[in-house]
Amino acid sequence: AQSVTQPDIHITVSEGASLELRCNYSYGATPYLFWYVQSPGQGLQLLLKYFSGDTLVQGIKGFEAEFKRSQSSFNLRKPSVHWSDAAEYFCAVGPFGNEKLTFGTGTRLTIIP
Amino acid sequence: GAVVSQHPSWVICKSGTSVKIECRSLDFQATTMFWYRQFPKQSLMLMATSNEGSKATYEQGVEKDKFLINHASLTLSTLTVTSAHPEDSSFYICSARDPRDSFDQPQHFGDGTRLSIL
Repeated sequence: AQSVTQPDIHITVSEGASLELRCNYSYGATPYLFWYVQSPGQGLQLLLKYFSGDTLVQGIKGFEAEFKRSQSSFNLRKPSVHWSDAAEYFCAVGPFGNEKLTFGTGTRLTIIP
Repeated sequence: GAVVSQHPSWVICKSGTSVKIECRSLDFQATTMFWYRQFPKQSLMLMATSNEGSKATYEQGVEKDKFLINHASLTLSTLTVTSAHPEDSSFYICSARDPRDSFDQPQHFGDGTRLSIL
């Protein structure tokens, strides 16, 4: 069975500081990995995705993620966070071409001035 | 603009009533749509796969008679929460994949419906 673990429930960083959100997955085949962001009361916005190719993927809003097969990880990073980045972040995994996604429990990001 | 639309975005109703949530694909035909449920401050859990013209496929532990799914057309799936109770209060999100997209393109999510049962 596929699963996603986001070890950090809540992270607080200062505006302008760097950010890394952790994601570990368990999947029997080649995973199709996503990072989504959700603002309070809102739907999901896709930040980036990975299936194959370059293991460092660039997304929107200055985010990037690195796929490390040996560590079963797909961590999200941003070099300098902005107050508007405060939100809930979800990592998800699914099979290529299939829409059934398994989501992690999410990491809530708080930005302090 | 949004390619998957949900309606209503927020609904409050009394315990014991039934509530219908619509999920529409605006500019594509979706033979398959997905319904997720998100409890407050928790993750999204897949409830069911809605199949146009056939019965929905429910995930383990989801009550079929409680959460009725109808996918009568290629652009509309509905989720009806029957005899709703406060424990059914949640955020419901649907998604669909545009068949015109290449296989490496992700599905499109609706903006969600917040259901509050009093």
